Amino acid sequence: EIVLTQSPGTLSLSPGERATLSCRASQSVSSSYLAWHQQKPGQAPRLLIYGTTNRAAGIPDRFSGSGSGTDFTLTISRLEPEDFAVYYCQQYSSSPRMYTFGQGTKLEIK
Amino acid sequence: EVQLVDSGGGLVKPGGSLRLSCAASGFTFSSYTMNWVRQTPGKGLEWVSSISSSSSYIYYADSVKGRFTISRDNAKNSLYLQMNSLLAEDTALYYCASSTVTTMSFDYWGQGTLVTVSS
Repeated sequence: EIVLTQSPGTLSLSPGERATLSCRASQSVSSSYLAWHQQKPGQAPRLLIYGTTNRAAGIPDRFSGSGSGTDFTLTISRLEPEDFAVYYCQQYSSSPRMYTFGQGTKLEIK
Repeated sequence: EVQLVDSGGGLVKPGGSLRLSCAASGFTFSSYTMNWVRQTPGKGLEWVSSISSSSSYIYYADSVKGRFTISRDNAKNSLYLQMNSLLAEDTALYYCASSTVTTMSFDYWGQGTLVTVSS
């Protein structure tokens, strides 16, 4: 089973700043199968990024993803008040078929 | 607008059973793989099960294999999760979620239904 480790656990920033969130895998992940989700309190997660770099429908272009192999990054270029939430990376593996999530990074207002 | 509405959660004793449902609208349900994902404060998000569009392919996490059964009714635009032999560690908020071969992820999520296993 591939384990995803996210860092930092909590990130304190101000609106307008740049946020960089990290996701490290215990073994190589196909770039096609790495995604990021955003979750706000009391809400279900929402898909932000799939295939490492592709924004999901309706996601603003201040969100971008990058990486390969075992190291992946979600970047929010200029934080808006609505961006403060918990972010999860997630991967799919075909053998065995399963999905795993990181433990999350909480992005809080400084 | 895509909508997934989860229901069926509740309080059940260890060893008991529960059936979750997910009603889908706003998209061609019969063309999508559907999934159940659960969330707990302690273990975070955990994938539970997936079912292909025609029910030909079904997959389970090891933690629920042999106890949970996923199914769907494309005529009713509905997804189900039959949960038997429930354990305390099955206590979680359960979400249904759709996925496609394009994203290989969870494109849309329901609002979740809470399952509590306790005596």
